[in-house]
Amino acid sequence: QVQLVQSGAEVMKPGASVKVSCRTSGYTFTSYPITWVRQAPGQGLEWMGWISTYNSKTHYAQRVQGRVTMTTDTSTSTAYMELRSLRSDDTAVYYCARDLYSNYVDYWGQGTLVTVSS
Amino acid sequence: DIQMTQSPSSLSASVGDRVTITCRASQDISNYLAWFQQKPGKAPKSLIYGASGLQSGVPSKFSGSGSGTDFTLTISSLQPEDFATYYCQQYKSFPVTFGPGTKVDIK
Repeated sequence: QVQLVQSGAEVMKPGASVKVSCRTSGYTFTSYPITWVRQAPGQGLEWMGWISTYNSKTHYAQRVQGRVTMTTDTSTSTAYMELRSLRSDDTAVYYCARDLYSNYVDYWGQGTLVTVSS
Repeated sequence: DIQMTQSPSSLSASVGDRVTITCRASQDISNYLAWFQQKPGKAPKSLIYGASGLQSGVPSKFSGSGSGTDFTLTISSLQPEDFATYYCQQYKSFPVTFGPGTKVDIK
């Protein structure tokens, strides 16, 4: 069965970087892109970006452009999202999701809480 | 960017009620519209794709309709497990954008 398993919660200082992983199984990794979405406490869903697992092409949201890098490791079927220069308003649960087709996502990871606090 | 709005922002309903949530896009998105359900502390769950397609494994009490700019999600007979927040999302173009959500709680 399709599974996306994310890395554990992180507590980071302002200005630091965090790298969240998303290990996939149950399907051919390179056939489906990965989308990253985040959710600040008590808030709605915010799309962060998309990466092709086939050729590593990316699209990033303007709000995090310049601070985010999405990558993949096809040998381990894992996607990564690194966010740099963390601020308090980056505190959120970060989700990865499989892009089934044309940016529609069908399976989601369980989420990773990133807390940015001094 | 394409802006998504939802109404109502919250609603109270009883078990067995028929519930309809509306989503509007700021420009024509054809049928590139998805609906997600999210329960507290859980990841979103995909319900509907292509405005009206039912994601595999989702019960048929959920249905979606619409095209262009106006869309609806209907739950035919609300059950206790359906109390959650529902989000619409356009995926016609980057950046993908979500509606602000509609919280459905128990009357």
